[in-house]
Amino acid sequence: QQQVKQSPQSLIVQKGGIPIINCAYENTAFDYFPWYQQFPGKGPALLIAIRPDVSEKKEGRFTISFNKSAKQFSLHIMDSQPGDSATYFCAAHRYSRWGKLQFGAGTQVVVTP
Amino acid sequence: NAGVTQTPKFRVLKTGQSMTLLCAQDMNHEYMYWYRQDPGMGLRLIHYSVGEGTTAKGEVPDGYNVSRLKKQNFLLGLESAAPSQTSVYFCASSPLGQGAIEAFFGQGTRLTVV
Repeated sequence: QQQVKQSPQSLIVQKGGIPIINCAYENTAFDYFPWYQQFPGKGPALLIAIRPDVSEKKEGRFTISFNKSAKQFSLHIMDSQPGDSATYFCAAHRYSRWGKLQFGAGTQVVVTP
Repeated sequence: NAGVTQTPKFRVLKTGQSMTLLCAQDMNHEYMYWYRQDPGMGLRLIHYSVGEGTTAKGEVPDGYNVSRLKKQNFLLGLESAAPSQTSVYFCASSPLGQGAIEAFFGQGTRLTVV
């Protein structure tokens, strides 16, 4: 079973809207949570990442919110643009020692003009 | 800088045929991985390698074999292809070390087994 649960499976928003993707994990040994962005026909690429010692991280229009007690984290895309249409994967692994990246199932985001 | 290169990009196989997918990276990364991507299932790890000459099973290893004879190459083999192996396959690599590890992905191989 997947160690990182991601929802929703797909999302459609209008330009300027704020799509929100949610992820939850069970393994408390995870302490590094990256997000990957995948455009059609391409491989995933690192977008933004967070560690649990902060509750929020922003890079441009992308924001990660982290709730350590609930073991949940989410990605918000502010002022979304059609060019943000992609599949987004959350992931988790252990910062303090190498481990395999555990990926969520992915969310397909479509931003309409 | 090529990064991670996968060969071939597309392939159609008949049930029972065999094939090898090649992954090459030029970043001198220790770790290499093979994932498959299916709708609604996300990225599932097939096999991975933590260095030249070593391989290990991931979540969904059945029906696949791998080899890492050279540090820069990681091969994924299908000995007897089945329709259930129709998928998009991604190779990735990452450096050795702790901390904010980033995985670098290839562009994928779309495999159809008929």
